[in-house]
Amino acid sequence: DIVLTQSPATLSLSPGERATLSCRASQSIASYLAWYQQKPGQAPRLLIYDASNRATGIPARFSGSGSGTDFTLTISSLEPEDFAVYYCQQRKTFGQGTRLEIK
Amino acid sequence: EVQLVESGGGLVQPGGSLRLSCAASGFTLSTNWMSWVRQAPGKGLDWVANIKQDGSDKYYVGSVKGRFTISRDNARNSLYLQMNSLRAEDTAIYYCARERLGSDTFDLWGQGTMVIVSS
Repeated sequence: DIVLTQSPATLSLSPGERATLSCRASQSIASYLAWYQQKPGQAPRLLIYDASNRATGIPARFSGSGSGTDFTLTISSLEPEDFAVYYCQQRKTFGQGTRLEIK
Repeated sequence: EVQLVESGGGLVQPGGSLRLSCAASGFTLSTNWMSWVRQAPGKGLDWVANIKQDGSDKYYVGSVKGRFTISRDNARNSLYLQMNSLRAEDTAIYYCARERLGSDTFDLWGQGTMVIVSS
């Protein structure tokens, strides 16, 4: 089974800064990776699919890149509403999450 | 409005049963594979089960095989999860999620329903 490892576990940044979140797969998954955002008390929301495609309604400050085993979610300039937990996912496997907190 | 609404969660004793429902609106449920995903308190996301558009194929995570059954009623635009022989480790928020056409990506989620297994 594929294992997805996210890093860092927690990322502390200020609004306006750039956030870079990583997801590494235990074996090549081509570009079959998605990213989700989850805020406290809410369901996850799809941000990125197929590694680099933004889902409907997702702001352009969110971008995804990577292929094979190494993937990145980038938030170009953090807005206050971006502080949340982010998960990567491939098929039936989720990463353990990265918590993005306000510094 | 396109949405999924879960119901049926609650407190149940170990060994008990519960049936979760997920009502779809704003789209035709029969178009998509559908999944259940759960999240234990303070933990990450875990896929539980999914079902093909016509109900002919179903898949489960190993820990629930033989105990949980996923089903759907496309005429009622509804998805179900029958949970038997519940254990403490099944305690979680259960989300129904729509699988994006042609991929394993979950593009629409319900708000979740809480299941607590405790004596």
